[in-house]
This record gives sequence, C-alpha cells and structure tokens, in this order.
Amino acid sequence: QLQLQESGPGLVKSSETLSLTCSVSGGSITSSSYSWGWIRQPPGKGLQWIGNIYYSGSTYYNPSLKSQFTISVDTSKNHFSLKLSSVTAADTAVYYCVRLLGALQGPRFDPWGQGTLVTVSS
Amino acid sequence: QSVLTQPPSASGTPGQRVAISCSGSSSNIGSNNVYWYQQLPGTAPKLLIYRNNQRPSGVPDRFSGSKSGTSASLAISGLRSEDEADYYCAAWDDSLSGVIFGGGTKLTVL
Repeated sequence: QLQLQESGPGLVKSSETLSLTCSVSGGSITSSSYSWGWIRQPPGKGLQWIGNIYYSGSTYYNPSLKSQFTISVDTSKNHFSLKLSSVTAADTAVYYCVRLLGALQGPRFDPWGQGTLVTVSS
Repeated sequence: QSVLTQPPSASGTPGQRVAISCSGSSSNIGSNNVYWYQQLPGTAPKLLIYRNNQRPSGVPDRFSGSKSGTSASLAISGLRSEDEADYYCAAWDDSLSGVIFGGGTKLTVL
C-alpha cells in the first residue's frame, strides 16, 4: 500500500526559505500513471492546491499563487520536494503531499500524507 | 472566498440523510468532473467520491455524489456519528488553469 510521509522544519523565520520533502514508500515515484503534488491548509481554513510534478520533471503550479514555489523530484531517493522562498506569516499552514491519479483536470488526490505543520515566525 | 461555494455547516441526526451542495460555474463544474474529500477531525483529507459519483474501494455506499449543470452534491444516508467531519468539493477550473476547492462544509451529527 502506497504511503506518503512529509518531513521538514516545523518552524521557519519570515523571509527565509521553507523546504519540505515527501518520501514515497510502497510504490515507485516513476510510474507514468501518476503525478505528485502539494496541498496546504492554513489553520482553521480550507484546502489550497500548490502544484504537481511528474517523475519526468514536468511541473504545474497554482497560477493564483505567487511564483515562489518550486517542486522537484528525486527518483533515486523515491521522494519529491517543495521549496517556498521568502515566506511570510500567510504561509503558515499544514502542508500535505499527495499522489494524483490521472490528469490534473480530474483532481483525484489519493493517498495523502499525514501532513506537517509549518509555522512562520517573525 | 472560494470559487466553489459550499455551505459552511450542515447537520443531521443518526440515521438521517443529509446533502451537501457545491456550486460553481461553467469553467469548473460545468465542464469538469467533481471530487469530494472527507477530513475527519485532526486527520488528513481522504478521497470520498471521484468523477462526480464514483466511490473508491472501501468507501461505504452510504456516500453518493451527483452533478447537474454547474452544481454538485454529496449525499450521506444512514448518518452515523463517525461521519462528523469537514467535507470539501474540488474540480479543475479551465479559466484559472488550476485545481480549486470549495471552502468546506462542517458536518455535525446531532
């Protein structure tokens, strides 16, 4: 059974860069049937799609977000990563990594990682 | 403010049937499939319905989805206490070129 696990610092200072990694176990990240993505949820609020990446390296980002996000994949380690530069308090959220089955036009995210809370401090 | 509009709350008693709506537009629900996610308290969301009305393996048939025009609905029959959760609809938006979520509906089982 495929499992996803986020890792990274729980506390980041304002204006610094946030780096998160999602480790994939129970399956290969190189399957062409899937892509891998990130979704965040500010405390007490709803879900926001950040972006997705295919193992080939093709990426798709939420156009409504400022272009400070970067998603990358490391097939040798079977994991993918998220970087967010110049963080602000508005970036405080639980960050989930997900697998997308099929095309982005059908957002079938399954499974989800357990999520990791990132707090931006001043 | 979300592009997909959901009621912030819904409630029902055990055994009842409840429905949660998700209203969109021609650029999202009107031209793409709708997906539903269930988020139990303190946990990550879980896929509940895909392609408007399909249930993943393991999801009880008490949960059903439908779509008509630019709106979609999630129905839960035989309501149970363990159904108390936040429910989110999601779809692709052709105008925004991105995945959008509804604001979420908190379901309370009285």
